[in-house]
Amino acid sequence: SQQGEEDPQALSIQEGENATMNCSYKTSINNLQWYRQNSGRGLVHLILIRSNEREKHSGRLRVTLDTSKKSSSLLITASRAADTASYFCATAALGWGSEKLVFGKGTKLTVNP
Amino acid sequence: NAGVTQTPKFQVLKTGQSMTLQCAQDMNHEYMSWYRQDPGMGLRLIHYSVGAGITDQGEVPNGYNVSRSTTEDFPLRLLSAAPSQTSVYFCASRLTGSTDTQYFGPGTRLTVL
Repeated sequence: SQQGEEDPQALSIQEGENATMNCSYKTSINNLQWYRQNSGRGLVHLILIRSNEREKHSGRLRVTLDTSKKSSSLLITASRAADTASYFCATAALGWGSEKLVFGKGTKLTVNP
Repeated sequence: NAGVTQTPKFQVLKTGQSMTLQCAQDMNHEYMSWYRQDPGMGLRLIHYSVGAGITDQGEVPNGYNVSRSTTEDFPLRLLSAAPSQTSVYFCASRLTGSTDTQYFGPGTRLTVL
């Protein structure tokens, strides 16, 4: 079964607003990653946060990780129409099976101009 | 670098036919994997390989075979296609560990009639 579950399934906002997506997972992890997928394309790696990190930034992206709640959030600030895409979290388990990256079902973000 | 390449881009099969989806990478990555993406299901891991000659099963391996004779290539074989295998298939690669950035190919859209 899939490890990560994103919430909400779909999100529609206006350009310039912030977008927040959440990911919950079930087991202990080594790291959690966020990916973006434009329609009909492959996934692109955005950011990785390790289990001993609580927050990470990359440009307009901010990721937080709460291992006690087994959850992560991705914040995109000052969104643009080009941010329209599906966003997936992926987890690498701690210990056995850590080489496998398991994806959630994704959040579909629409940024309206 | 071409990155991760997949062929074909589109394929239509009849039930019972067999075929091979090709995946190649020119980044000297040890780890390669195959995912399938179905609407509302996110990405599910089919098979993966941690190096030439080493493969293992993911979440949904039934009906698929893989082999890894070279570092560069990781073909996915459908033994006897079924309509349930209609999906978009993505190949991915990364250097080695789960903290290395994973790169995805553009995908193969497969329809089984």
